[in-house]
Amino acid sequence: DSGVTQTPKHLITATGQRVTLRCSPRSGDLSVYWYQQSLDQGLQFLIQYYNGEERAKGNILERFSAQQFPDLHSELNLSSLELGDSALYFCASSVDEGTDTQYFGPGTRLTVL
Amino acid sequence: QKEVEQDPGPLSVPEGAIVSLNCTYSNSAFQYFMWYRQYSRKGPELLMYTYSSGNKEDGRFTAQVDKSSKYISLFIRDSQPSDSATYLCAMSPLRGSARQLTFGSGTQLTVLP
Repeated sequence: DSGVTQTPKHLITATGQRVTLRCSPRSGDLSVYWYQQSLDQGLQFLIQYYNGEERAKGNILERFSAQQFPDLHSELNLSSLELGDSALYFCASSVDEGTDTQYFGPGTRLTVL
Repeated sequence: QKEVEQDPGPLSVPEGAIVSLNCTYSNSAFQYFMWYRQYSRKGPELLMYTYSSGNKEDGRFTAQVDKSSKYISLFIRDSQPSDSATYLCAMSPLRGSARQLTFGSGTQLTVLP
């Protein structure tokens, strides 16, 4: 157990809908990262937050947004969902923004029908 | 062309075999190299990381980096059925305030008892 928690574990929704994925980092970790893992694209970095501020953006679609709250938990919002958004979404955390080790949560499996 | 290429396998070996997992990369800015292990339906788990060319050993695992050839390897000695998982290489540049990891597509390994 990495100490990173993600909810929900599974999410099934329809095209066009909006969902929110939640992540709680390990105790003491200030940095949160979001990744998407799909069969054809592999594990791709989406976005990073450090102590409430956005630090880096990867291949994140405009339909997706994220934020990190004062208690350091983070939410990833996915809107106008398409079939191709079906994937595993992982959150990872690290002590600070430049540290070497990222600890991954168990992921949220999103299925868009 | 992807920045990081990894043979997807699947790779099937008998228990006790030596396993070699490999990645190549094209971005010479990558200076920090990691191997993650991902069991089915779980989040990636960091196995090893290294900054420099050469070998780094940790128990039955050895990570090897050849920056001149842009090639990294993970060797598993005396492989066990519990090593059956997908292995992901990951890389990032050292500079900058954020650790944006670029992952390989993963190699699925099965160790047969």
